[in-house]
Amino acid sequence: DAGVTQSPTHLIKTRGQHVTLRCSPISGHKSVSWYQQVLGQGPQFIFQYYEKEERGRGNFPDRFSARQFPNYSSELNVNALLLGDSALYLCASSLAVLGEQFFGPGTRLTVL
Amino acid sequence: DQQVKQNSPSLSVQEGRISILNCDYTNSMFDYFLWYKKYPAEGPTFLISISSIKDKNEDGRFTVFLNKSAKHLSLHIVPSQPGDSAVYFCAASGTYKYIFGTGTRLKVLA
Repeated sequence: DAGVTQSPTHLIKTRGQHVTLRCSPISGHKSVSWYQQVLGQGPQFIFQYYEKEERGRGNFPDRFSARQFPNYSSELNVNALLLGDSALYLCASSLAVLGEQFFGPGTRLTVL
Repeated sequence: DQQVKQNSPSLSVQEGRISILNCDYTNSMFDYFLWYKKYPAEGPTFLISISSIKDKNEDGRFTVFLNKSAKHLSLHIVPSQPGDSAVYFCAASGTYKYIFGTGTRLKVLA
């Protein structure tokens, strides 16, 4: 069975650009959450979507946005990139809002 | 404000011995806790969870203990194996999101 997939695996952008990261959940999972992980820290919660609706938002600026599609896949968009946005972006899926979350391999974003 | 803390950034244990990883939390509203293992270049892998109505949960070599009065949980790995070498994160939830600790790097020495 396919796990959570994310694309691209690596991405290099320059300051001021925007980026779109993609995530496909495990089949049957209706919830997708996005996390940002910087070196030496644990994953920081950005968004959770369930049944195409935003269920939670972490302490991130409005430059960060996301959406979930009818097939439960999801996109994370970041506008006006800053150097500090360089991080590993993780997507996790789960059957419901709470419960075990299964993580994808992440997208490594580097902002120059 | 770090609501979930893993105060030991690293831990080394001999193969075959017990590994004990600790996690403290501050929010008494947290009622569900998880442990994840992370290898380099991979996403975190779910290990074991515990609900606040329990004080212990076992799964093979992994046991999680929860002390609600102390707001403390621990992960025991017995016996430790070299393949257990990874970064371990605890996470806590009370609503819709999980708060992760900063991780403990476990090295199991052969």
